[in-house]
Amino acid sequence: DSGVTQTPKHLITATGQRVTLRCSPRSGDLSVYWYQQSLDQGLQFLIHYYNGEERAKGNILERFSAQQFPDLHSELNLSSLELGDSALYFCASSGLQVNTEAFFGQGTRLTVV
Amino acid sequence: AQTVTQSQPEMSVQEAETVTLSCTYDTSESDYYLFWYKQPPSRQMILVIRQEAYKQQNATENRFSVNFQKAAKSFSLKISDSQLGDAAMYFCAYRSGNTGNQFYFGTGTSLTVIP
Repeated sequence: DSGVTQTPKHLITATGQRVTLRCSPRSGDLSVYWYQQSLDQGLQFLIHYYNGEERAKGNILERFSAQQFPDLHSELNLSSLELGDSALYFCASSGLQVNTEAFFGQGTRLTVV
Repeated sequence: AQTVTQSQPEMSVQEAETVTLSCTYDTSESDYYLFWYKQPPSRQMILVIRQEAYKQQNATENRFSVNFQKAAKSFSLKISDSQLGDAAMYFCAYRSGNTGNQFYFGTGTSLTVIP
């Protein structure tokens, strides 16, 4: 158990809809990262938050947005969903020290039909 | 931005044999860490091993070891006595000590273990 909790584990929704994915980081971790992994693909970095502030953006679509709340949990909002958005979405958390690894949640499997 | 390259999309190894997965990275930083993650069919991301850039000694964790060549910016993973449970996707990752402490991942190598 990595200590990172993602909900829901699975989500099936229709094109055009909006969904929210939730992530609770490991206790004490201030950094939260979101990644998208399509089938048999690598990890695409979406966005990084540190203590409530956006630190870096990757290839995140304008239809996607995220935030980190004062209690450090984070949400990834995906809107106007398309079939191509179907993927495994990972949240990871980490301490700020460079020697700490990223701890990953089990991911949310999103299927857009 | 830093880049991490895994040039072997797929590798296979016979059970009990040794296999080496390659990873190179591009950086001008001096402070960084390197990691190998394993992603089995369950899709859970599991840390295998880490290496500090300042350490000359190669990291070892049981059957897993790295060959860290700092000047060549190479960080390969050696798996000895391969087991069926080693079959997974392996990702190399770089963590910057500067640029917001970002993680940069390679594209992954899919390892098949042949009984």
